[in-house]
Amino acid sequence: DIQMTQSPSSLSASVGDRVTITCRASQSISSYLNWYQQKPGRAPKLLIYAASSFQSGVPSRFGGSGSGTDFNLTISSLQPEDSATYYCQQSYSTPLTFGGGTKVEIK
Amino acid sequence: EVQLVESGGGLIQPGGSLRLSCAASGFTVSSNYMSWVRQAPRKGLEWVSVIYSSGSKYYADSVKGRFTISKDNSKNILYLQLNSLRAEDTAVYYCARGSCSESTCYTFDYWGQGTLVTVSS
Repeated sequence: DIQMTQSPSSLSASVGDRVTITCRASQSISSYLNWYQQKPGRAPKLLIYAASSFQSGVPSRFGGSGSGTDFNLTISSLQPEDSATYYCQQSYSTPLTFGGGTKVEIK
Repeated sequence: EVQLVESGGGLIQPGGSLRLSCAASGFTVSSNYMSWVRQAPRKGLEWVSVIYSSGSKYYADSVKGRFTISKDNSKNILYLQLNSLRAEDTAVYYCARGSCSESTCYTFDYWGQGTLVTVSS
């Protein structure tokens, strides 16, 4: 099974800050990496697919990068509505696996 | 408009069975990869099972032999039969549509609101 490791597990940043979340796969997954945002009591929402492609409607301050085993989700200018937990997910092979999540809080 | 609506969750005793349903609208279940993903209380996301448009099925090791995924193409509904339930199966269960891009169909572009399954005596 492919293990997905996210870091940090939580962070606190100010509005306007640049925030980067890292996801590492236990083996190469090419660009088969997705990012989701989940707010409390809500279903996850797809932000980025194929490592760097934007899902329709996602603000341009979100960006994804990486390939192989190392990936990043960057929020270029953190907004209050970005307070949420973010998950990476490999779409390379079953069993599909998610990272443990990164909780982003606004200072 | 694409919509997924789960139902069937509830409180069930250990060893019991439950069937979850996911009613789809705005697209056809028959032509998409459909998955179930669960989330235990205050925990992360765990993929449970997928059924391909062809009907092929795959499961996480944690549920293999106990859970069964299926679909009714005529009703446009996805199901998950949960048998031999354990306390560790307690979670919100989401159905999700798999979107295809660059030779993978495992990107979850639409999710239901989830249905809570609580396994407890």
